[in-house]
Amino acid sequence: NAGVTQTPKFQVLKTGQSMTLQCAQDMNHEYMSWYRQDPGMGLRLIHYSVGAGITDQGEVPNGYNVSRSTTEDFPLRLLSAAPSQTSVYFCASSNDRDGGSEKLFFGSGTQLSVL
Amino acid sequence: AQKITQTQPGMFVQEKEAVTLDCTYDTSDPSYGLFWYKQPSSGEMIFLIYQGSYDQQNATEGRYSLNFQKARKSANLVISASQLGDSAMYFCAITPLYTGFQKLVFGTGTRLLVSP
Repeated sequence: NAGVTQTPKFQVLKTGQSMTLQCAQDMNHEYMSWYRQDPGMGLRLIHYSVGAGITDQGEVPNGYNVSRSTTEDFPLRLLSAAPSQTSVYFCASSNDRDGGSEKLFFGSGTQLSVL
Repeated sequence: AQKITQTQPGMFVQEKEAVTLDCTYDTSDPSYGLFWYKQPSSGEMIFLIYQGSYDQQNATEGRYSLNFQKARKSANLVISASQLGDSAMYFCAITPLYTGFQKLVFGTGTRLLVSP
């Protein structure tokens, strides 16, 4: 009953360091995405994927890379961390392309601080 | 382009009373979906309710209902019989259909406080 699993839950980086936020889902969902949430704001889309091997940019993609080599995993890479990337990061997945009542499943979030 | 506007930064309600959280939207997509999510202080995003632009009837999920007025581009959330556990941030979001709900645009949220 895992759903969407994000690791790590907390991370502190120094400016210029790189790291990968992991996201895995065990529901065989076709669609996955990454969002960031800054204080006092709603979530903003970073990157998304509509299937293995297919990714696209969202609203705030700069400074992040993604790849989707398997259906289950959708890692988010920070190439050279900056203080502006301090945020809470959420991964999400779904399997409903045509609408309906299928909900979007969110992971529990990764809180990232860049010093 | 899509946009969500939530004009109520904070709302107060007494336990057992009903409360309406406002959400207006703008979109150029002919087909879209509207979501409401709850975010308690623990930080997780909890799905509450979904309404498709093509749905004829307003969505309901237990104590939650969505007052969808397409002509006015509003999708207000109504919580009936508020409980103390309803205290949280509430986000309205919109997405074009046929993207697997992977392109949500969120509002800035409304903080709801439920008092005894």
